Amino acid sequence: GENVEQHPSTLSVQEGDSAVIKCTYSDSASNYFPWYKQELGKGPQLIIDIRSNVGEKKDQRIAVTLNKTAKHFSLHITETQPEDSAVYFCAAHGNNRLAFGKGNQVVVIP
Amino acid sequence: ETGVTQTPRHLVMGMTNKKSLKCEQHLGHNAMYWYKQSAKKPLELMFVYNFKEQTENNSVPSRFSPECPNSSHLFLHLHTLQPEDSALYLCASSRQPGEGNTGELFFGEGSRLTVL
Repeated sequence: GENVEQHPSTLSVQEGDSAVIKCTYSDSASNYFPWYKQELGKGPQLIIDIRSNVGEKKDQRIAVTLNKTAKHFSLHITETQPEDSAVYFCAAHGNNRLAFGKGNQVVVIP
Repeated sequence: ETGVTQTPRHLVMGMTNKKSLKCEQHLGHNAMYWYKQSAKKPLELMFVYNFKEQTENNSVPSRFSPECPNSSHLFLHLHTLQPEDSALYLCASSRQPGEGNTGELFFGEGSRLTVL
């Protein structure tokens, strides 16, 4: 089945700087890649997603890039703010199964 | 507010207790899910219900028993659990059937379960 690796596990950034989280996947048939943000005490919430026919997608301060050949995709957060502090999960959908990464703790230092 | 409500938010139980977790979605979705979230691990899918019918049981021990009386409500009945079952249990719903199905999952805030 699909295996999703996510790194780094923890990332600290100064407020205003950019943060990048990278994920790799194993199943070349995977065609949908969502990113979920989980704040303390809450459930994960979809923040952005990308499909395999697109290389990049942007929504305000967040963007996702996909490299199908290398089987990796990344989340980019620019001009980080304290409210960006959370755990971020990547996922890959293939063979009717959604496989999540282990999550990345992002800490934005004011 | 995601439209998915879970109760209770916190639950402490002994290994011989019987308890239930409840999930309700107000989004008119057709599919509901139970996930287990443990520290430093990916989210683990437990059960999937599409149009009230269970379509997936991801090799979950029988001490976890799901129930879906209608498309808006989902329960997880717990009986003779083990300490390693302590985790955050997340309920989710989606518009279309199938896990992920290339559509958005809407998660509840979770029920934090501690088994003593």
